Amino acid sequence: DAGVIQSPRHEVTEMGQEVTLRCKPISGHNSLFWYRQTMMRGLELLIYFNNNVPIDDSGMPEDRFSAKMPNASFSTLKIQPSEPRDSAVYFCASGWIGGYTFGSGTRLTVV
Amino acid sequence: QQPVQSPQAVILREGEDAVINCSSSKALYSVHWYRQKHGEAPVFLMILLKGGEQKGHEKISASFNEKKQQSSLYLTASQLSYSGTYFCGTVNNQGGKLIFGQGTELSVKP
Repeated sequence: DAGVIQSPRHEVTEMGQEVTLRCKPISGHNSLFWYRQTMMRGLELLIYFNNNVPIDDSGMPEDRFSAKMPNASFSTLKIQPSEPRDSAVYFCASGWIGGYTFGSGTRLTVV
Repeated sequence: QQPVQSPQAVILREGEDAVINCSSSKALYSVHWYRQKHGEAPVFLMILLKGGEQKGHEKISASFNEKKQQSSLYLTASQLSYSGTYFCGTVNNQGGKLIFGQGTELSVKP
């Protein structure tokens, strides 16, 4: 199993640009989570899906953030427009009742 | 809603033991434990689903007191490889969201 695959690994973009982060969960996992990690705020839950349906997006900071899961093997997190305070490592995790596996993360830098 | 971990940081010598605590203000359905090394993703250690359940993973084990809404992670005879930041994550209901504590930084010195 290749694990949870995230792309890109690193992204540097200018303020105001649109950013799209991608995630391929492990086959058979029915839950998918998007987290953001910074030194100041730790691991924050942004949104999670069960069986491709968004269940709770209360952690999405603003309307600039949106997430989709069109099918069981793909999810995206979009930031439009991006701001310097969005700089962080974004993790996707998939799993089931027995535990969750994290992807390697996307390090986003907005300049 | 975020669980609270203690201590925030701990420094050990190889072979020493440590306990990391995690407490929640809400009733818990399950508790997860993860370890993250610098520059890497969190790695799943174990999940505890029932009150009073204890689980082990090599020399790392954990307990879950459902009544007290607490969990503890026990590291015995620590090794250098145990260094990292340990996170507890809590789920309040089946199918619910996994929320992480602020982390406990563990350093094991030779």
